Amino acid sequence: DQQVKQNSPSLSVQEGRISILNCDYTNSMFDYFLWYKKYPAEGPTFLISISSIKDKNEDGRFTVFLNKSAKHLSLHIVPSQPGDSAVYFCAALPRGQFYFGTGTSLTVIP
Amino acid sequence: DAGVTQSPTHLIKTRGQHVTLRCSPISGHKSVSWYQQVLGQGPQFIFQYYEKEERGRGNFPDRFSARQFPNYSSELNVNALLLGDSALYLCASSLEGWIYEQYFGPGTRLTVT
Repeated sequence: DQQVKQNSPSLSVQEGRISILNCDYTNSMFDYFLWYKKYPAEGPTFLISISSIKDKNEDGRFTVFLNKSAKHLSLHIVPSQPGDSAVYFCAALPRGQFYFGTGTSLTVIP
Repeated sequence: DAGVTQSPTHLIKTRGQHVTLRCSPISGHKSVSWYQQVLGQGPQFIFQYYEKEERGRGNFPDRFSARQFPNYSSELNVNALLLGDSALYLCASSLEGWIYEQYFGPGTRLTVT
């Protein structure tokens, strides 16, 4: 049973525009969420995280929003750059075990 | 500083064989976690080891086992390989047992024929 879901397998955005990647989860016990970015032939790299006590966390061009009532989080990238093209995974951490979504492949078109 | 390293990079095995994958964490990191990533899916948690003890286990059969050595490196062993074990196996290390921030290695691509 997939407890963390990313329903959009792919997304294409023009350079300079906003990229919005979405993630839904089913378990209300999840209390910490992370986004990872993965390039081909490399392991995932940590991007940004958010605790369930917050509804927004910002780091440069990256902002993560958490809507606990909807069990939904999103990653906003503004402005999008061609180097942002990668697969993005959201992950939830209830208690020492990561649950990853299936990933969204982002392509930023120059 | 060296990141998480994994060996081998690629591996081809036949059904029924056994495989051992290796991982060296970032220097100073005491926790190692293993994940299986099947094509088109996100990483699935297999094990976490902290201070040489199993801290967590995902929903994988007993054919999968792991251990952590005194230098905090780790091995993942898979017995009686099945075609469905073909995947990218990722190792991640973190400083302590709570894996809020973990750093992934590049993975080992296992193909079972």
